[in-house]
Amino acid sequence: EAGVTQFPSHSVIEKGQTVTLRCDPISGHDNLYWYRRVMGKEIKFLLHFVKESKQDESGMPNNRFLAERTGGTYSTLKVQPAELEDSGVYFCASSQPLRVGPDTQYFGPGTRLTVL
Amino acid sequence: QQQVKQSPQSLIVQKGGISIINCAYENTAFDYFPWYQQFPGKGPALLIAIRPDVSEKKEGRFTISFNKSAKQFSLHIMDSQPGDSATYFCAAGASGTYKYIFGTGTRLKVLA
Repeated sequence: EAGVTQFPSHSVIEKGQTVTLRCDPISGHDNLYWYRRVMGKEIKFLLHFVKESKQDESGMPNNRFLAERTGGTYSTLKVQPAELEDSGVYFCASSQPLRVGPDTQYFGPGTRLTVL
Repeated sequence: QQQVKQSPQSLIVQKGGISIINCAYENTAFDYFPWYQQFPGKGPALLIAIRPDVSEKKEGRFTISFNKSAKQFSLHIMDSQPGDSATYFCAAGASGTYKYIFGTGTRLKVLA
């Protein structure tokens, strides 16, 4: 079974440019999450999809970030325009909901974003 | 405000020794505590997890100890091996929500 995949693995862009990150969850997983780790800090929650619906976007930093999940399959996270503080590793995770309690989240390898 | 505090930031252990990483949380609604292991260039992978109805869970050389009254939990790696060298993250989740709150990570190096 293929795991969570993310593309690209690295991205280097200039401040003010636009970048789109893609995540393909494990097949059949309804839950999809985006997290970000800024160097040396904690992995921080950004948002959560159930199928194509945003359930929780409380962690999105500001309106320069736009996440979509068309058809409930893959997801994209667009940053427009990018700022220096957006640099970090963006992780995607997916899970299949359990009947009771938090479910196990499976993480992708991450996209390392550098904004110059 | 960081809800899960993890220590130490880095740890060096001799091969065969015990590695201990500690985490403390504040939110009493947390009821799921996973530990993730991350190797360079890879994503975090679930290592072991515990729910607060037990005080300890062991899987091979890895043990989670959980102290509900102190709101602390720790990861013990027995007989540490060079292949255990990685970054370890503790996390906490609560029923009714889906997001995990992570600690800042511990970079473990096991010397051969």
